[in-house]
Amino acid sequence: GAGVSQSPSNKVTEKGKDVELRCDPISGHTALYWYRQSLGQGLEFLIYFQGNSAPDKSGLPSDRFSAERTGGSVSTLTIQRTQQEDSAVYLCASSLFAIVGGGSTDTQYFGPGTRLTVL
Amino acid sequence: LAKTTQPISMDSYEGQEVNITCSHNNIATNDYITWYQQFPSQGPRFIIQGYKTKVTNEVASLFIPADRKSSTLSLPRVSLSDTAVYYCLVGDPNFGNEKLTFGTGTRLTIIP
Repeated sequence: GAGVSQSPSNKVTEKGKDVELRCDPISGHTALYWYRQSLGQGLEFLIYFQGNSAPDKSGLPSDRFSAERTGGSVSTLTIQRTQQEDSAVYLCASSLFAIVGGGSTDTQYFGPGTRLTVL
Repeated sequence: LAKTTQPISMDSYEGQEVNITCSHNNIATNDYITWYQQFPSQGPRFIIQGYKTKVTNEVASLFIPADRKSSTLSLPRVSLSDTAVYYCLVGDPNFGNEKLTFGTGTRLTIIP
């Protein structure tokens, strides 16, 4: 079946502009994660949505970053007033379930990512 | 087909060293090995990353043999707060990869 999709695949923007990155999770997956990826840091967790619960925003690096998930499906990550240090690959992942009651989580499936370049 | 294989769960007492091994027989030349820690209701967080031999940081050590088909995360002197799920992830950090997945990880329980 269809996997996680992200758009755009590449985005080049000028410093100070706002950008929106989109993620379409696998149908039926209740958990959705956003990560930022760079060499030496692995996947940097940004934000996590579980169904209709309030998201865990603890990984967002600054107040310029925000994300929403409409109708429990599609998610948009918005970066305002982009800076050059925001350049990275932004990955979205989804899983059928998330951690419940301290048990292990379900497999996360990743999208192909959006490569963001801020000039 | 799973890219990595880890034990489902492990128990250890406080103060001991814990070693969690991950198998990744199909690792590619450009792949790095990264370990993450996840607490309940939170997203996974980066612990350590390596390509070969040994890497050490303030949290853990990562041992990678020459053939790179496995790796071992070593946590020194664990405490109760180290109780979490630990994931081994293999991939090329220079590209998003639709085949990149977190498996079910290793649930580590620290016993007082």
